[in-house]
Amino acid sequence: ETGVTQSPTHLIKTRGQQVTLRCSSQSGHNTVSWYQQALGQGPQFIFQYYREEENGRGNFPPRFSGLQFPNYSSELNVNALELDDSALYLCASSPLAGGYNEQFFGPGTRLTVL
Amino acid sequence: AQSVTQLDSQVPVFEEAPVELRCNYSSSVSVYLFWYVQYPNQGLQLLLKYLSGSTLVKGINGFEAEFNKSQTSFHLRKPSVHISDTAEYFCAVIRGSQGNLIFGKGTKLSVKP
Repeated sequence: ETGVTQSPTHLIKTRGQQVTLRCSSQSGHNTVSWYQQALGQGPQFIFQYYREEENGRGNFPPRFSGLQFPNYSSELNVNALELDDSALYLCASSPLAGGYNEQFFGPGTRLTVL
Repeated sequence: AQSVTQLDSQVPVFEEAPVELRCNYSSSVSVYLFWYVQYPNQGLQLLLKYLSGSTLVKGINGFEAEFNKSQTSFHLRKPSVHISDTAEYFCAVIRGSQGNLIFGKGTKLSVKP
């Protein structure tokens, strides 16, 4: 059974650029959640996708957007990058949305914005 | 609104000593509580969870936690730590119907020989 994978591992961008991060969910999981972990902080919920639809969103501006594909993999897009967007971005998949369903985390993508 | 407070940002301890990492939560409704571990340059791994039932929860790697509703706490304990337990530990609570996790700021456990 393949776990959650994310690409790329590291990424360096400059202010104002756009970035796309990718996540492949664990086999059999149809729900993907994205989290931002700034240095020295706990992860913060960005949004969740369930069966290709956004299923909840945290306190992040609209320049953070996402997609989920029919195979349940997902993308996180960030437009107009700011210095504060520098963080570890974690993807987690779960077998179902809502209530309690254990989330399995990928290794993350570390984004540095210069 | 639900929130999680981890009372210690760093906990240094010697190998084979016991350790307790403290976590308090605030919630007006039933909660699901979790502890995750993050090793350097890695993602999060679930250590243990409390959903219902017995208030003493046992997890992986010899860790356990006790759910205390009256004190709104969910402290993580291990009777004897190893060097390999050096990592950052996060307490988390599930929020609402979406099932997204709300994390504390983390506690860095440093085990010294």
